[in-house]
Amino acid sequence: DAKTTQPTSMDCAEGRAANLPCNHSTISGNEYVYWYRQIHSQGPQYIIHGLKNNETNEMASLIITEDRKSSTLILPHATLRDTAVYYCIVRVAGGGSQGNLIFGKGTKLSVKP
Amino acid sequence: NAGVTQTPKFRILKIGQSMTLQCAQDMNHNYMYWYRQDPGMGLKLIYYSVGAGITDKGEVPNGYNVSRSTTEDFPLRLELAAPSQTSVYFCASSYLLRGNEQYFGPGTRLTVT
Repeated sequence: DAKTTQPTSMDCAEGRAANLPCNHSTISGNEYVYWYRQIHSQGPQYIIHGLKNNETNEMASLIITEDRKSSTLILPHATLRDTAVYYCIVRVAGGGSQGNLIFGKGTKLSVKP
Repeated sequence: NAGVTQTPKFRILKIGQSMTLQCAQDMNHNYMYWYRQDPGMGLKLIYYSVGAGITDKGEVPNGYNVSRSTTEDFPLRLELAAPSQTSVYFCASSYLLRGNEQYFGPGTRLTVT
């Protein structure tokens, strides 16, 4: 069963903020929200993760609702190089089999000039 | 740091042949993973390792073997290659105490004919 729901595709104008939503209504208290992206034919790239507080790093910001049932990944100034499939993944932070990343279909983000 | 490296980038095998996919990381990560990604699909975990000398099966281990004699290296062995093993193979590594975000290699594209 899919733990997350994301739109199939989104467009964004270059230079604008890209806001990618994710629903995870069945998230457990010890599960984190992770975001990865995969640019065509390349290995997935880690972007950001969070538990309940909003997080920001050099790549993006992650906004998690207070009830933790949904989140939004924000790319503040999208460039053409941000065109990729973005995956929202919910899992515990443990390693080994707990670290198994279950990639759904993700959101294909197209950044247009 | 080179991060996670994989060799070869591409390989064509005949049915019944064997080969080893190489993976190395220079980040001193304790966890390492092998995934496969079929066209248009998400990643599936083949094997993982929590440290040198310790490996365990993932979701789709049949037809593969792994070993982990050092922290840095995690080779994946295909015995008796079959067309169903045509896929892109990604190796990843992570460090548990840092949130366990996984860092991926560039992948090996394998075709079995």
